[in-house]
Amino acid sequence: GAVVSQHPSWVICKSGTSVKIECRSLDFQATTMFWYRQFPKQSLMLMATSNEGSKATYEQGVEKDKFLINHASLTLSTLTVTSAHPEDSSFYICSAGGGLADTQYFGPGTRLTVL
Amino acid sequence: GQSLEQPSEVTAVEGAIVQMNCTYQTSGFYGLSWYQQHDGGAPTFLSYNALDGLEETGRFSSFLSRSDSYGYLLLQELQMKDSASYFCAVKRSGATNKLIFGTGTLLAVQP
Repeated sequence: GAVVSQHPSWVICKSGTSVKIECRSLDFQATTMFWYRQFPKQSLMLMATSNEGSKATYEQGVEKDKFLINHASLTLSTLTVTSAHPEDSSFYICSAGGGLADTQYFGPGTRLTVL
Repeated sequence: GQSLEQPSEVTAVEGAIVQMNCTYQTSGFYGLSWYQQHDGGAPTFLSYNALDGLEETGRFSSFLSRSDSYGYLLLQELQMKDSASYFCAVKRSGATNKLIFGTGTLLAVQP
């Protein structure tokens, strides 16, 4: 099956710094990837749709200048959390669609802790 | 607005059958998916319904009624490893594979 990886799996940073998270599709090409955020014991909230070679589409309420998304190739999308604050601490998960798009394949997630 | 409601918690015993419901209200609907997520892990795909009726995959079955905006996931022969969160997700029409997730049901399987 399709495999999606994320790096790093966890990161701790100081308030005010920026953190980059990578999402890679390992055995298929993904023109579209998705970024989600999940707080403890809550659901996955779609943040943005990452489109290869074009600008990302952000969901309502998500600050595009704070959460920078770059999808420079068919196998890599990056999410940069700029000027991170403790309230940005969360589990960030990416996904990529497969085939006829009945399924999405999820990465293992990145746990971000901002001190 | 959009909403997908699921019961927050369900408890069942090993070997039993459990049904987890999902009611949705979305602008545009293409299909309903189900995902399993163990604590701290990534969601994994279980099942997908685009048409009314029952889809069966091993111990897992999923049902959809588009007219009622309702679906459910049925797990048979419960095992301890089935303890996890289960999310329904709507694939919206007109959007490229975009999923909106439900509130999730935490299933606890007891011996």
